[in-house]
Amino acid sequence: AQSVSQHNHHVILSEAASLELGCNYSYGGTVNLFWYVQYPGQHLQLLLKYFSGDPLVKGIKGFEAEFIKSKFSFNLRKPSVQWSDTAEYFCAVTPNSGYSTLTFGKGTMLLVSP
Amino acid sequence: DVKVTQSSRYLVKRTGEKVFLECVQDMDHENMFWYRQDPGLGLRLIYFSYDVKMKEKGDIPEGYSVSREKKERFSLILESASTNQTSMYLCASSQGQGGTEAFFGQGTRLTVV
Repeated sequence: AQSVSQHNHHVILSEAASLELGCNYSYGGTVNLFWYVQYPGQHLQLLLKYFSGDPLVKGIKGFEAEFIKSKFSFNLRKPSVQWSDTAEYFCAVTPNSGYSTLTFGKGTMLLVSP
Repeated sequence: DVKVTQSSRYLVKRTGEKVFLECVQDMDHENMFWYRQDPGLGLRLIYFSYDVKMKEKGDIPEGYSVSREKKERFSLILESASTNQTSMYLCASSQGQGGTEAFFGQGTRLTVV
């Protein structure tokens, strides 16, 4: 079975600071990787995903993530955060074949102060 | 846009009651899921279904059951609600095989008193 570890439970940044949220996964085969975001009072929505190809993937709202296979990592980055990025961020992994389920990390709560 | 709709946003039930949480998706997705979200624990999979009348246990199925009589509808049942089942419940759906992305409903915040 797969597992996901997110490095930080809470992150506090000032506006315009750079962001990097760590995510490591454990699984013996090939995976698909996701970052989801949950803004206050809203439903969980997809930020970006990696299935194959270029390991640097770009998502919505200026976010990007890099898949490093040798490190089993899929870290989320944004060069300059905004107050509106305040949200909870979840990394998720699923095997890329067969019927499979998403396994989520415990989440990172990001608070951006204006 | 894919829409996953959960029947209630907030629900308050008494200990011992039988509770039904309903979820409907409108994109003809084959797969449907029920997760539970708790602070500091992330999302944990309760049950999932790959087809009508089919169900599989997730990581924390104890105290729950599910029903999928139609492709678009997936119900979560708490047979006898307990206070430790107070939580946010999220329904999701996805298409086919191969680890596709899941689309989530807005969640049902259940409080058991």
